Amino acid sequence: DQQVKQNSPSLSVQEGRISILNCDYTNSMFDYFLWYKKYPAEGPTFLISISSIKDKNEDGRFTVFLNKSAKHLSLHIVPSQPGDSAVYFCAASVKTSYDKVIFGPGTSLSVIP
Amino acid sequence: EAQVTQNPRYLITVTGKKLTVTCSQNMNHEYMSWYRQDPGLGLRQIYYSMNVEVTDKGDVPEGYKVSRKEKRNFPLILESPSPNQTSLYFCASSLRLGANVLTFGAGSRLTVL
Repeated sequence: DQQVKQNSPSLSVQEGRISILNCDYTNSMFDYFLWYKKYPAEGPTFLISISSIKDKNEDGRFTVFLNKSAKHLSLHIVPSQPGDSAVYFCAASVKTSYDKVIFGPGTSLSVIP
Repeated sequence: EAQVTQNPRYLITVTGKKLTVTCSQNMNHEYMSWYRQDPGLGLRQIYYSMNVEVTDKGDVPEGYKVSRKEKRNFPLILESPSPNQTSLYFCASSLRLGANVLTFGAGSRLTVL
């Protein structure tokens, strides 16, 4: 059973609008969450993270929101740009040394010019 | 440039022919890990290593071996590849796991006929 779920395999958004990518997790022990972005023929790259002691973290156009009671996090991209078209992976971990990171299946975002 | 280098990037082989995918990082990272990416399943961890001579199984270790004789290198060995190991493989490293971000290689696409 997947511990990290991204129920939307794909998402299309108009340039300039907001993109909202969702992620749900089942393990209440997770206390650190990350989003990675992946372009074709490249490895995933880190985008933004959030610790469970926060409910929001912002970095430029990217904001991650965490709702611990619902075990849900979301990534907001505002405004969306064509260069944001990529696969986005949600990931979760327990913030102790040497525990492993669990990835979701990914959401493919297409930003239409 | 800080990076994780994987080779080969693309490989087509036949069932049963042993192969090794190399992974090297130049960041003096303690933690290294191998993932495979399959459609709808995201990134699943195969093996990880917390430091030299310390390795452990991830979620899908069957059919794979690893070694960590030096800090910078973490090769993935398929002793007798089978078609179900056809996948996209990523090596990743981080200073240590916990709150640290993973740096990924560009990926190795393996096809087993």
